[in-house]
Amino acid sequence: EDKVVQSPLSLVVHEGDTVTLNCSYEVTNFRSLLWYKQEKKAPTFLFMLTSSGIEKKSGRLSSILDKKELFSILNITATQTGDSAIYLCAVPIYNQGGKLIFGQGTELSVKP
Amino acid sequence: NAGVTQTPKFQVLKTGQSMTLQCAQDMNHEYMSWYRQDPGMGLRLIHYSVGAGITDQGEVPNGYNVSRSTTEDFPLRLLSAAPSQTSVYFCASSRQGKTGELFFGEGSRLTVL
Repeated sequence: EDKVVQSPLSLVVHEGDTVTLNCSYEVTNFRSLLWYKQEKKAPTFLFMLTSSGIEKKSGRLSSILDKKELFSILNITATQTGDSAIYLCAVPIYNQGGKLIFGQGTELSVKP
Repeated sequence: NAGVTQTPKFQVLKTGQSMTLQCAQDMNHEYMSWYRQDPGMGLRLIHYSVGAGITDQGEVPNGYNVSRSTTEDFPLRLLSAAPSQTSVYFCASSRQGKTGELFFGEGSRLTVL
């Protein structure tokens, strides 16, 4: 059975801290992994990762994929209160258009 | 720029009632899907569609029905609501070839009493 597991499920840090969020997966015919950020409403797309070892960066956020060990990490440096959100990891199921398996999400709270 | 529009945003039902959650997208995306989100469980796929006239079941399809008569619309029907269907529902769309990059509606919060 395909599955995606995230850890930790929740995390409380202070502004300026660096955090690492984890996502492991067991998915048949793996092709890519995605990260989403969910604030009050709908999730919004952050990164898509398809190749091992290639770091994707967007400002203070970065992510890397390890296809041998079947995991990805999302790093956030110099956290701000605006980073408080649920971070979701997801893997598309190959050849089943639009079907994604999501992890449980990590709820990040950044305190001033 | 409308994107993905869901209605209603909030709904309270009694057990046994039926209702339809509406979803429309104006981006000409081929793929559309419905997810439900419950605390600590991430997003779980209910039903999805790869094009007009084609639908398939996701992880948690029981108690829900869908149809896709046009590219733009993908309504989700609750046939006989149960308290276990209390959840936040998200409709999403994506382009063929970029299936992972979902565009989500703002969600519909459903409470079944």
